[in-house]
Amino acid sequence: AQSVTQPDIHITVSEGASLELRCNYSYGATPYLFWYVQSPGQGLQLLLKYFSGDTLVQGIKGFEAEFKRSQSSFNLRKPSVHWSDAAEYFCAVGVMDSSYKLIFGSGTRLLVRP
Amino acid sequence: EAGVTQFPSHSVIEKGQTVTLRCDPISGHDNLYWYRRVMGKEIKFLLHFVKESKQDESGMPNNRFLAERTGGTYSTLKVQPAELEDSGVYFCASSQTAGGVYGYTFGSGTRLTVV
Repeated sequence: AQSVTQPDIHITVSEGASLELRCNYSYGATPYLFWYVQSPGQGLQLLLKYFSGDTLVQGIKGFEAEFKRSQSSFNLRKPSVHWSDAAEYFCAVGVMDSSYKLIFGSGTRLLVRP
Repeated sequence: EAGVTQFPSHSVIEKGQTVTLRCDPISGHDNLYWYRRVMGKEIKFLLHFVKESKQDESGMPNNRFLAERTGGTYSTLKVQPAELEDSGVYFCASSQTAGGVYGYTFGSGTRLTVV
């Protein structure tokens, strides 16, 4: 069965420090992978997506993610975190069965220390 | 362009009452989706409209949930009667392509609390 695992429920980093949020997926076919962010009071905003090609994808707000097929991973990274990055982050895989839909992980809440 | 708009942003109702959530997709987006997040768990798929037709409603939890999409424009999701376990955040999303190749655009969600 298709699934997405985000093993870290909460992560706290200091402002200016680097960040890596982990995501592992289970899907038999070539995955379409996404990272979304939800800031307080806001909707889900697409940070970046991977469909094919270069396994390192760049997104908005200085985020990037690397697709590693051998590890079934799609980890999100940012070299220097800003206080405004405090939010909840969701990894998702696009799957096709009855229709195309997204399977989400349970989310990682990022706290940023001043 | 305007984004996906959801009404209300919050709703608190008593168990047994009825609640109707509304979603206005981005103009021209034929594909409309409902998702929900219950008790801080995963965001889960509920259903998918293509224009006014239900393409896939495999995620609808039970027959207390009824979704409609009038004329292929806005959509409503009615919960009747509401139960405590229905509490959560209900997200609507729309996309131009059914495959979501360009990603969905999500609304800000409706937080439903059933007491």
